[in-house]
Amino acid sequence: QKEVEQNSGPLSVPEGAIASLNCTYSDRGSQSFFWYRQYSGKSPELIMSIYSNGDKEDGRFTAQLNKASQYVSLLIRDSQPSDSATYLCAVSGNNRLAFGKGNQVVVIP
Amino acid sequence: KAGVTQTPRYLIKTRGQQVTLSCSPISGHRSVSWYQQTPGQGLQFLFEYFSETQRNKGNFPGRFSGRQFSNSRSEMNVSTLELGDSALYLCASSLGLLAGDFPETQYFGPGTRLLVL
Repeated sequence: QKEVEQNSGPLSVPEGAIASLNCTYSDRGSQSFFWYRQYSGKSPELIMSIYSNGDKEDGRFTAQLNKASQYVSLLIRDSQPSDSATYLCAVSGNNRLAFGKGNQVVVIP
Repeated sequence: KAGVTQTPRYLIKTRGQQVTLSCSPISGHRSVSWYQQTPGQGLQFLFEYFSETQRNKGNFPGRFSGRQFSNSRSEMNVSTLELGDSALYLCASSLGLLAGDFPETQYFGPGTRLLVL
């Protein structure tokens, strides 16, 4: 089992809609969870961090964490064309951050 | 505050050569982590340095090595380059006050894109 899995294929959403991204992880002892956004040809940029079960909101972004289900999600409300990017889930474990392979989001004007 | 800087930004090498990449962390950050990113494998952890000591290492062969200087700047070296080493190499810095299973937020540099021919 991979440490961090982001299984969804490319996600196309109309402008103004909600984009929903999911991530599961294998290490039950993980304590820190991050979402990074990566534009094509650029480096990852941190958009959210979450440490406790529940929801954390920051502007149009909401991260949700459920440690019992080993599940992290990211919601992007009122999606904009500028949100078109690859979103990487990162989870702490084994003294380092492990990254999923990412989900590509395409916002259609 | 200036961000993480990496040099060079682009590099072309041939098989068998070696390469050294440099990373300067955000001022005040003492931890530097290195990652390799490829389309097939995603972001993979290479190693992490704090106060000139390697604290953690990923599953890469010994051809990949690194070091950190007293000013927290870090270098990574890849010897005997192989075609499969072509990738985007990213470094990320953090304060480094915590270790273990509570890594602090990491901030990435722009990366060095390495092409091995």
